Amino acid sequence: RKEVEQDPGPFNVPEGATVAFNCTYSNSASQSFFWYRQDCRKEPKLLMSVYSSGNEDGRFTAQLNRASQYISLLIRDSKLSDSATYLCVVTGTGRRALTFGSGTRLQVQP
Amino acid sequence: GAVVSQHPSWVICKSGTSVKIECRSLDFQATTMFWYRQFPKQSLMLMATSNEGSKATYEQGVEKDKFLINHASLTLSTLTVTSAHPEDSSFYICSALTSGGASTDTQYFGPGTRLTVL
Repeated sequence: RKEVEQDPGPFNVPEGATVAFNCTYSNSASQSFFWYRQDCRKEPKLLMSVYSSGNEDGRFTAQLNRASQYISLLIRDSKLSDSATYLCVVTGTGRRALTFGSGTRLQVQP
Repeated sequence: GAVVSQHPSWVICKSGTSVKIECRSLDFQATTMFWYRQFPKQSLMLMATSNEGSKATYEQGVEKDKFLINHASLTLSTLTVTSAHPEDSSFYICSALTSGGASTDTQYFGPGTRLTVL
């Protein structure tokens, strides 16, 4: 079983739509959680950290459910520029290297 | 924010040659850098952890004699792919870790190096 699992998509949505991505992780000792964004043939860029209390950054809302080992990302009012691959990322106990999911591809259409 | 550079950004080489990729933290010191590899349509996979002044720690299945890592200074780590073969063709990305204590460590990624072995 993969350490971090995501639906690969693609999710094709119209501009203005709300879209949600989910991710599950297998290591219950994982300590830190993130969503990264990766554009085609580019390096990943940090979108936001994810906390149990949930956190929001503009149109983006992230949620962590430790009991279910589940992370979500909600994007409201999708823009064309949101088209990218969204990577769910976790770190383990005492381990600062990042474990990446394979990503969910989002295509926002005009 | 912090900047990490990689050089070269892309390289094409013949099978059997060695390729060196540099990862530099430009405006901060990084005692720890990570090397990842990403094949098409796949996730980034950690290859090794590079610690300044000590030997790198390799992930299971990564040959340390094939992927030589040197972290000789606080701002530079190098990855050398020795005797490269077509199956080594991939996107190699480094990241550098700032040190603010474990809870505030932040990783900054380099722009990646696309290696094509003919």
